[in-house]
Amino acid sequence: ETGVTQSPTHLIKTRGQQVTLRCSSQSGHNTVSWYQQALGQGPQFIFQYYREEENGRGNFPPRFSGLQFPNYSSELNVNALELDDSALYLCASSLVGGFWKGYTFGSGTRLTVV
Amino acid sequence: GQQLNQSPQSMFIQEGEDVSMNCTSSSIFNTWLWYKQEPGEGPVLLIALYKAGELTSNGRLTAQFGITRKDSFLNISASIPSDVGIYFCAGPGDAGNMLTFGGGTRLMVKP
Repeated sequence: ETGVTQSPTHLIKTRGQQVTLRCSSQSGHNTVSWYQQALGQGPQFIFQYYREEENGRGNFPPRFSGLQFPNYSSELNVNALELDDSALYLCASSLVGGFWKGYTFGSGTRLTVV
Repeated sequence: GQQLNQSPQSMFIQEGEDVSMNCTSSSIFNTWLWYKQEPGEGPVLLIALYKAGELTSNGRLTAQFGITRKDSFLNISASIPSDVGIYFCAGPGDAGNMLTFGGGTRLMVKP
């Protein structure tokens, strides 16, 4: 059973650019959630995808968008990058409604905006 | 929105000591989760609690769901160097199937 894999592991972008982060969910999981973890803080929920549609969103602006594909993998896109977007971006997969059993997190993508 | 406050923010202890940390919420939770995050990794679920007063163990780790349903505690007995990491409490958030995380307790263990 494979876990959650994220790519790339590290990324440096310039303010104003756009970035795409990728996530492959754990086998058997049909829901993907994305979290942003700033340095020294806990993860903050960005949004969740189920059946290729957004299924809940946290307090993040529209320039944060996502996709889920038929194989349940997912992308996180961020437009017009700002310095404050520098963070560890975590992808988590689960069964729909199964968050109370806990997610399986990937190792994250470390994004640095300069 | 919901807020989870963890204390202490950091702990530096001697190997073999017992550790206790707690998490309080601004609202009632029906589920409490405790995660550990090591450098360069995502959080890993340690213990899940589903009802008030519940006490659950996972090896040297024990967690309790507070009676008020607004707090939870995690204890680690006889700490070892591999216990080093950041421990997060988490609970159901406002937006459907999502988690709200606390700010974490950073644990450092001196051999």
